This record gives sequence, C-alpha cells and structure tokens, in this order.
Amino acid sequence: DAGVIQSPRHEVTEMGQEVTLRCKPISGHNSLFWYRQTMMRGLELLIYFNNNVPIDDSGMPEDRFSAKMPNASFSTLKIQPSEPRDSAVYFCASSLSPGLSSGNTIYFGEGSWLTVV
Amino acid sequence: GNSVTQMEGPVTLSEEAFLTINCTYTATGYPSLFWYVQYPGEGLQLLLKATKADDKGSNKGFEATYRKETTSFHLEKGSVQVSDSAVYFCALSDDSNYQLIWGAGTKLIIKP
Repeated sequence: DAGVIQSPRHEVTEMGQEVTLRCKPISGHNSLFWYRQTMMRGLELLIYFNNNVPIDDSGMPEDRFSAKMPNASFSTLKIQPSEPRDSAVYFCASSLSPGLSSGNTIYFGEGSWLTVV
Repeated sequence: GNSVTQMEGPVTLSEEAFLTINCTYTATGYPSLFWYVQYPGEGLQLLLKATKADDKGSNKGFEATYRKETTSFHLEKGSVQVSDSAVYFCALSDDSNYQLIWGAGTKLIIKP
C-alpha cells in the first residue's frame, strides 16, 4: 500500500514568495495532521483535520500559514509570504481515526524540506 | 499537563552492544505510549507501542514495557546494528485523543 505522499520533497524559495506543500493521505484514513520539525522546537502539530474538517489549528504559527483539505485524498499547507524562520521540515501524517489513546497509529510522509533564503 | 522526558543524545555504541534509551512521562488518565524512529532524511515510523500498564511492545528486536509504577517506557535492544542508527522519539497520547506529546528525540549512532 502507498504511504502518505508529500510534495515537493525539497523546496528552496526566496523570502516573500508563496509556498504550497501538498499531501495525499493513506486511502481510508480520515484523520490528517500537519507537523513542523525544527532543531530548536522539535516536532510541533500545526493543524489536525478529521473527515476533512479542521478540528484544531491552534498550532498554526500566524496568519501567514493556512491549510485546506478539500477532499479526503488531498490537503495543502500554504505559507504566504514565506520568511527565513519558516525553514523546517514539514510532515503530513494520517491515521485511520483519532483514538491515539487506544493506540491508533499515525503514519508519516517523508516530509517536505523547506528552505527560505 | 502531560509531558515526556527522554535521555539526551547522541548515544554512541559499538555494533552488538546492548541498548537502553530512557523515557519517562507524566500524565493524567491512561495514555498510550509510543516509540517512533526517524532514519536520516525520512519521516517518522512507528517502532512499537503499548496501550496499558504492563504491556510490552516489541518490533525488530526492540522492546519497551509500559511501567505505570515508575512512569517509564524505556526502549531496549539486546544487540544493535549499524542500521539502527537513527533518531528515536518517545511519545504519549494526551486527553484530546489526537495529540501526541513528543520527547525531544535521542540520536543513536552505532559504530561498526
């Protein structure tokens, strides 16, 4: 089975430019997560969708960040305008349902490595 | 609130050595506990998990036991290989049922 698919794998962009990261979750999974990983802050949950609806976006850093999930098989994370401090690895992840307390597993994509210069 | 503390790295071992990476937690309720592994340039993969006290998770020779009395979930492997070199994350589920509380990660380096 295909895992979580993210694109692009690597992106280098200039400050001020718009960046769009894309994600295709595992088929049949109804929970989708966007994480950001940096050396300084570790793994941070940016936003969580359940059944295509944003449930918790409290981790989105500021208005420059937005995320959408127009259907069950696609999500985007957009940064506009981008800044050098946005440089990080952005992971999309999905799970069959919430229920992490019951041991449900989150499956991660390979990440989008963003560098803003 | 819930939190996870894991030993700082890097941990450097020789091949075939015994591995322990310590993880302790604070939590209300009855969280599930997870170990994830991140190989260089890749995303995180679930290594093992445990959902209740005294459960033992195991995978690929790694083991961890959910110890409620010591609030610990230490990762162990009897004989490590160079291919085990990676960053290991301990995590627990929080009351939201969709959030994972992550440890800072422990980098493991295995030398031949």
